[in-house]
Parts: sequence; structure tokens; C-alpha cells
Amino acid sequence: KQEVTQIPAALSVPEGENLVLNCSFTDSAIYNLQWFRQDPGKGLTSLLLIQSSQREQTSGRLNASLDKSSGRSTLYIAASQPGDSATYLCAVRLGGAQKLVFGQGTRLTINP
Amino acid sequence: ETGVTQSPTHLIKTRGQQVTLRCSSQSGHNTVSWYQQALGQGPQFIFQYYREEENGRGNFPPRFSGLQFPNYSSELNVNALELDDSALYLCASSQQGRRETQYFGPGTRLLVL
Repeated sequence: KQEVTQIPAALSVPEGENLVLNCSFTDSAIYNLQWFRQDPGKGLTSLLLIQSSQREQTSGRLNASLDKSSGRSTLYIAASQPGDSATYLCAVRLGGAQKLVFGQGTRLTINP
Repeated sequence: ETGVTQSPTHLIKTRGQQVTLRCSSQSGHNTVSWYQQALGQGPQFIFQYYREEENGRGNFPPRFSGLQFPNYSSELNVNALELDDSALYLCASSQQGRRETQYFGPGTRLLVL
């Protein structure tokens, strides 16, 4: 059974810092891994999608890496801003149905 | 904006009642998935529909059922509501295919009293 773990559960940093969020998964047989952002009480916004054949993806200040063999992914946020405050979720896509298995998320707070 | 809409935004029901939640997929998407997100948890896969047929199901009892219509809108029905069904219900639409991303709607917040 695929399990996804995100560490830390919560993180608070001052504005301007670079930071790394971690995601690990137990079964390396995935199609892809996706990072999402969720604002309180809202739906999910897709940030980055890494296919299983890729090592990393970048979008603006965000960079996500994938090491399938070790079951790990990281989301790097450069020059953090208060607007980055949200919960960040990683999810792996399994075969068959387009089922996503999510971690519990990291609640990020950027202090001005 | 993902182009995926859900209704209603909030809903309050009592234990034992039935509820129907609705989702309108992004134009051209033939696959819809439903997820349940309890407070403080990551979303959990309920089931997926592809071309109006169920195409995979998570660990949810039969009282959770769904429909997908030819115009790719869909419904999630929950019978005999329990207190633990209180959650944010999310739908996600996509094209079928292993490289396709899923686009999530804003969710319906269900409270069961």
C-alpha cells in the first residue's frame, strides 16, 4: 500500500528565506508526483507536476525534485513571501485509475 | 482558476440523511475523480469516472456512489450520512492518460450534525 509522508507538518520562517519541504513515498512504482498548494478552506492549486522519467521541474521561485529510487521529493521555495503562506501537499499518481495518494501536508507560515 | 466548479459551497445535514454534491468538469475533460478531505488531513480518493463508468474506487463503503453525465458533469451521492462524513469534498477533472494532470474544483464543505 502506497503511503506518502510530509515533513515537517508545520513550518514558520521569516520573509525572504529559502526553504525546503519534504515528501517521501513508500512505493517507487509511480507515474508522476505533483505538488499542490491549498489555502484555508479552499481547493487545490497545482504547482508542479514531475513525470516519473523526470528529475525536476521549475516554475518561477519554485523548484521540485524527484528521486524515484529513494522515494523522495523536495519542493524548494526561493525568497519566500507572506503570500506563500498556505498548506503544501504532495501527491503521487498510481497506475490504473488516475488515483492520487496524498501526504498530510506541510502548513507553511511566512512572517513579514 | 481551473475551470472546475462545484456546488454547493457549503452544506449542513443531519445524521441519516442523504446528500448530492455536484461538479462541472473543465471543458473537454472525460475523467472526474472525487476526494474526501477531513480537517487537517490530505485528500483521500473516493472513486473515479471515465466516460460515465466507474473506473476505480478507494476504500469507501457503497453508500458513497456517483454518476457522470454525457456533458462530463458529475455527482457524488452519500446515503445514510454519518458524523465522520463531515469533510471537504473535492472533485478533479482530467483527460485520461498517465501524463495528464488533474484540475481540482474549490470543494464543497459538508457538515453532518
